[in-house]
Amino acid sequence: AQSVSQHNHHVILSEAASLELGCNYSYGGTVNLFWYVQYPGQHLQLLLKYFSGDPLVKGIKGFEAEFIKSKFSFNLRKPSVQWSDTAEYFCAVNEWTGTASKLTFGTGTRLQVTL
Amino acid sequence: ETGVTQSPTHLIKTRGQQVTLRCSSQSGHNTVSWYQQALGQGPQFIFQYYREEENGRGNFPPRFSGLQFPNYSSELNVNALELDDSALYLCASSLKRSGANVLTFGAGSRLTVL
Repeated sequence: AQSVSQHNHHVILSEAASLELGCNYSYGGTVNLFWYVQYPGQHLQLLLKYFSGDPLVKGIKGFEAEFIKSKFSFNLRKPSVQWSDTAEYFCAVNEWTGTASKLTFGTGTRLQVTL
Repeated sequence: ETGVTQSPTHLIKTRGQQVTLRCSSQSGHNTVSWYQQALGQGPQFIFQYYREEENGRGNFPPRFSGLQFPNYSSELNVNALELDDSALYLCASSLKRSGANVLTFGAGSRLTVL
């Protein structure tokens, strides 16, 4: 079964700083990769996804992620964070069990952006 | 389009009781999955329903069960509640059950077991 590692558990940044959150998954083959965001008091929302094609994918709110197959990685980046980016970020990989499709999530990274 | 709605939003139960959580999937979505998110953790897959049948289950005991109805709405039932069942339970729906697929999540039902 897949596993997902998010190495940064809690990140504190000042506004306008650059962000990179790490994500590694456990094994290769065809993978569908996701970043979800959970703002305080809100539900999980899709930030961006990678299914195939260009390994650099762009999502909402200026976020982007790069799929590096050789490193089993899908790191999330943003050049300049805003206070409103304060949230919990989850990396996830989709896995087909043979009968069902399931998402395996990392433990999440809590991002705190200070003014 | 309406999103995924879940009820109740919060509930408190005592150990040994039973609970039923409900979910209405996004319009047009025929597949429903349930996830458990413990405090400080990522969501964990409980099971998936498609065409009113469970077609995949994560590492959860049989006291976790579910239903999917003809209108694609779903229920999660947990019997013999344990303290460790305290968590946020998330329902997610999708257009299909396999392949390149995006899940839309509801806001969740927060269960506290005392």
